[in-house]
Amino acid sequence: EIVLTQSPGTLSFSPGERATLSCRASQSLTRSYLAWYQQKLGQAPRLLIYAASTRATGIPDRFSGSGSGTDFTLTISRLEPEDFAVYYCQQYDGSAPTFGGGAKVEI
Amino acid sequence: EVQVVESGGDLVQPGAFLRLSCAASGFSFSSYAMNWVRQAPGKGLEWVSAISNNGGSTYYADSVKGRFTISRDNSRNTVSLHMNSLRDEDTAIYYCAKDSGWSGHSNFDCWGQGTLVTVSS
Repeated sequence: EIVLTQSPGTLSFSPGERATLSCRASQSLTRSYLAWYQQKLGQAPRLLIYAASTRATGIPDRFSGSGSGTDFTLTISRLEPEDFAVYYCQQYDGSAPTFGGGAKVEI
Repeated sequence: EVQVVESGGDLVQPGAFLRLSCAASGFSFSSYAMNWVRQAPGKGLEWVSAISNNGGSTYYADSVKGRFTISRDNSRNTVSLHMNSLRDEDTAIYYCAKDSGWSGHSNFDCWGQGTLVTVSS
């Protein structure tokens, strides 16, 4: 099983700031099959990024993904009030999908 | 509009059986794999099971293998999760999630609002 580590678990920012979230895999994702999701309190997750760097339909361009191998990053270029939420990475490179533990972006 | 809606969650005792259902609309259901993902109270996301577009292949997390069974009915655009021998640790919100591919090894591009399963005596 591929383990994804998101650290730190909580990040604090002010609106308008740039946020960088990290996701590290326990083994190389050779096809860069990594996705990012946003989950707001009481809501279902929403797909933001897939294949490490491709934005999903309707996702604002302030969200971007990068990385390869074992290290991946989600960047929010300028935080809007609605971006304060929990973010999960997910790999689908291995035999079974796994999620990271989540990173909470708080004000 | 692409949409999936779950139903069937309930409060049950340990060892009980429960069936969850997911109704899909707004897309060509028979072209995509479907998944169940769960989230225990206050915890992160855990993939549970997947089924390929034609139902020919099914996949399970080790934590539910042998107890849960996923199935689909492409004529009714529904996917089900049959859960046997439920344990306290199965307590969670169960989300139905559309796969972006046909085989069941991809990302999840549409999620339902979830249905709550509580296992407690």
